[in-house]
Amino acid sequence: AQSVTQLDSHVSVSEGTPVLLRCNYSSSYSPSLFWYVQHPNKGLQLLLKYTSAATLVKGINGFEAEFKKSETSFHLTKPSAHMSDAAEYFCVVGNFGNEKLTFGTGTRLTIIP
Amino acid sequence: DVKVTQSSRYLVKRTGEKVFLECVQDMDHENMFWYRQDPGLGLRLIYFSYDVKMKEKGDIPEGYSVSREKKERFSLILESASTNQTSMYLCASSLDTGNTAKTQYFGPGTRLLVL
Repeated sequence: AQSVTQLDSHVSVSEGTPVLLRCNYSSSYSPSLFWYVQHPNKGLQLLLKYTSAATLVKGINGFEAEFKKSETSFHLTKPSAHMSDAAEYFCVVGNFGNEKLTFGTGTRLTIIP
Repeated sequence: DVKVTQSSRYLVKRTGEKVFLECVQDMDHENMFWYRQDPGLGLRLIYFSYDVKMKEKGDIPEGYSVSREKKERFSLILESASTNQTSMYLCASSLDTGNTAKTQYFGPGTRLLVL
């Protein structure tokens, strides 16, 4: 079984300050973990994917995430927020051999000018 | 780049109508998925298909059916639309390769309103 919990439904940060979006996961096997972003009225776009090659994963648009097995966490960070980062972010877990992915309920990121 | 297209961005239908949502991918992916997205609930899997004419139920299949006659096309059918099926519908595809969970690529979504 697999599940994912996004700890904040809404995060607000000022432009130029760091972003932290929190995600905890549960998986019976060695998981793959993803972060997707969805801008208003758009589909989901892959930000980054963890597949056990390296615990710190770099994605697009300056985002990165760190896999911490001991904490079962996969938090998404960015050093400096930009207005264009305002969107909804989904943490996702999957396992090899299972075609299905399990999505978190999403975190809405608001950027304050 | 993978391209997943959906037949409509917005649809308005009446209760009881039969509704077809179509999805096409251009990357020869084996797997295709239909999700619905509702505020506070994230994405919930309705059906997926891992090959032509093959389908499996997801978490919320009731009131929906699907069709996959060609590899690139996956249709979602609402046999008799109801107001509780008002939602955003997202299609995705993935390639059946590698030894990790497979990245899914999403279409732009169809926002369906049932009156």
